Amino acid sequence: GAVVSQHPSWVICKSGTSVKIECRSLDFQATTMFWYRQFPKQSLMLMATSNEGSKATYEQGVEKDKFLINHASLTLSTLTVTSAHPEDSSFYICSAGGTSGRGRETQYFGPGTRLLVL
Amino acid sequence: AQSVTQLGSHVSVSEGALVLLRCNYSSSVPPYLFWYVQYPNQGLQLLLKYTTGATLVKGINGFEAEFKKSETSFHLTKPSAHMSDAAEYFCAVSESGANSKLTFGKGITLSVRP
Repeated sequence: GAVVSQHPSWVICKSGTSVKIECRSLDFQATTMFWYRQFPKQSLMLMATSNEGSKATYEQGVEKDKFLINHASLTLSTLTVTSAHPEDSSFYICSAGGTSGRGRETQYFGPGTRLLVL
Repeated sequence: AQSVTQLGSHVSVSEGALVLLRCNYSSSVPPYLFWYVQYPNQGLQLLLKYTTGATLVKGINGFEAEFKKSETSFHLTKPSAHMSDAAEYFCAVSESGANSKLTFGKGITLSVRP
């Protein structure tokens, strides 16, 4: 099946630092990428939607200045958690969708990135 | 707005027994419906999806789901549970295809007893 990768898979950082998470679509052009956050034993909550070359659309309650999203190419989107604090510790998952090929009818999810802020 | 209801948080079945995971949705437009499975510390894997056409959808690993518009349901079933089916299952709805955001239910943990 289609492959979406995320890097890193695990990250531990000190409070106040910034962390960048990459999401790559490896075998189709991802015109749209989505970023989700998942707390333990809970469902996925959409944080933002990014379209290639455009500014991301953030869900209500998500701080756009804290969670910076860049979707500069059809294969790469990045999420930067700025000035991370312990409450930002979570599992971050991206997904990608396209307009042609296998990415057209469904989103494909990355394996997730576990962030722990000390 | 769209929403998904997955009643209960945990289902336990014996190996070889029927698996039934319930999902009801709310949508103001014809929905696209999905079931995903998540294993610990991993992303989501698509089990099956309904877009248009045949209402009984077959997916991977022997799972299937039936879209019932009159009941606004999309329940997931598998005739015979396997130990490897133990995981978290999420039902999701979207308004269209891959470029439309997904709204997830809260998920159900499936346990399989030997």
